[in-house]
Amino acid sequence: AQKVTQAQTEISVVEKEDVTLDCVYETRDTTYYLFWYKQPPSGELVFLIRRNSFDEQNEISGRYSWNFQKSTSSFNFTITASQVVDSAVYFCALPIIQGAQKLVFGQGTRLTINP
Amino acid sequence: DTAVSQTPKYLVTQMGNDKSIKCEQNLGHDTMYWYKQDSKKFLKIMFSYNNKELIINETVPNRFSPKSPDKAHLNLHINSLELGDSAVYFCASRQGVAGLNNEQFFGPGTRLTVL
Repeated sequence: AQKVTQAQTEISVVEKEDVTLDCVYETRDTTYYLFWYKQPPSGELVFLIRRNSFDEQNEISGRYSWNFQKSTSSFNFTITASQVVDSAVYFCALPIIQGAQKLVFGQGTRLTINP
Repeated sequence: DTAVSQTPKYLVTQMGNDKSIKCEQNLGHDTMYWYKQDSKKFLKIMFSYNNKELIINETVPNRFSPKSPDKAHLNLHINSLELGDSAVYFCASRQGVAGLNNEQFFGPGTRLTVL
C-alpha cells in the first residue's frame, strides 16, 4: 500500500513551545520522496520541504526541522519556539507514479499556537 | 507574479446547476492537476493532465469533466451539481510528468458550496 498517516488530528500549544508533528508512511518503492505542505488559515497550500529516501540526514531551516527515519518509516516535523503565525494545517505527502506523479496526502494535523 | 491562479475563489450555486472552475499556470510546467479537499481537510487527487492529454483519472463521477485547451490551462466543468460536491478544489502544476522529486505548486483553491 502507498499510504501516509498523520495520527495527530489537532495539536494546541502555547507560543514558544516546541512541537512535533508526526508522519508515518507506507510504500512499496525502494526509492521515494516525502513532502511537507503547510495550509495557513488563508487556505493556500505552501510547499515546505522534500526529502529523498537516500538521505537520512536531518534537515533544519530556521525554527523548522525534519527527522527522517527509514527504520520506523517516519518523517516528523518539529517547530522550535513556535509562533502564532505557525498556526496552520500541515500535510505530509508521498509522491507516487501512476502515469504521472500524484501526491498521496496524510489526513493533516491542525496546529494551533496560542499567544 | 501569480504562479497558479484559479477563478473564481468562491462559488455558491444550487443543486442541479452546471459550473466551471478555471485554472492557469505561468510557470511553464508540463503537468497540471485537480485535487479535492473535503470538509475534513482530506486532499485527494481527481485528475492529471500533461500537455492537454489526460494522464490520471481517479474514481471521479463522470459529471466532472476536465478540459485542457493548452499546456497552461486546466479547467474543471461540473454538471448536475450535488450537495456532496461542496468542497475546496485545488489546481496544481509541476515540472515534468513522472519523476518523484519535483514538488507540485498549488493554486489558492476554489470553495464550492452547493445549496
